[in-house]
Amino acid sequence: GQSLEQPSEVTAVEGAIVQINCTYQTSGFYGLSWYQQHDGGAPTFLSYNALDGLEETGRFSSFLSRSDSYGYLLLQELQMKDSASYFCAVRSNRDDKIIFGKGTRLHILP
Amino acid sequence: EAQVTQNPRYLITVTGKKLTVTCSQNMNHEYMSWYRQDPGLGLRQIYYSMNVEVTDKGDVPEGYKVSRKEKRNFPLILESPSPNQTSLYFCASSFLAATDTQYFGPGTRLTVL
Repeated sequence: GQSLEQPSEVTAVEGAIVQINCTYQTSGFYGLSWYQQHDGGAPTFLSYNALDGLEETGRFSSFLSRSDSYGYLLLQELQMKDSASYFCAVRSNRDDKIIFGKGTRLHILP
Repeated sequence: EAQVTQNPRYLITVTGKKLTVTCSQNMNHEYMSWYRQDPGLGLRQIYYSMNVEVTDKGDVPEGYKVSRKEKRNFPLILESPSPNQTSLYFCASSFLAATDTQYFGPGTRLTVL
């Protein structure tokens, strides 16, 4: 089967940097995606890695290593509005199903 | 405005009473999905569709039906709802392109009594 593992919660301080990890067991996928979801809201797309390496979009960066079955989302200069849940996801290249991790709740302390 | 719409946003119903949740997108996306979100379980795919008249089961399809008669619409049907289908449901759509970006609807909060 396919699964993506994320820590359930992470806590960081405003202005700091935090890394949210995603390890996976899957037979094959197109790329690793990251989504943000605020309480009461819908998930919104943040970042995508089709290839190994680092992708940077403003304060957010995402990394993928297929050889290590591992990826992460890096958030810099944390702001209180970054308090949310973050999900990693993949689309299988075998059957096009989409699998999400269970999400990481990010708490930010002032 | 590019968007995914879902209706209704909130629904309380009783066991066994058939219901349909509508989903529509105006971005000409090929790929559409339905997810349910339950505390501690993340988002789980119920059904997905790669294009018109093509639908496939996701990880939790039992008790649900879908159809894709037009590219823009992807309704979710619960023929005989049960209390274990009480959940938050999201519809999403995307191009089958390089970034796989999914656009989500606002969600439908369903309670089955």
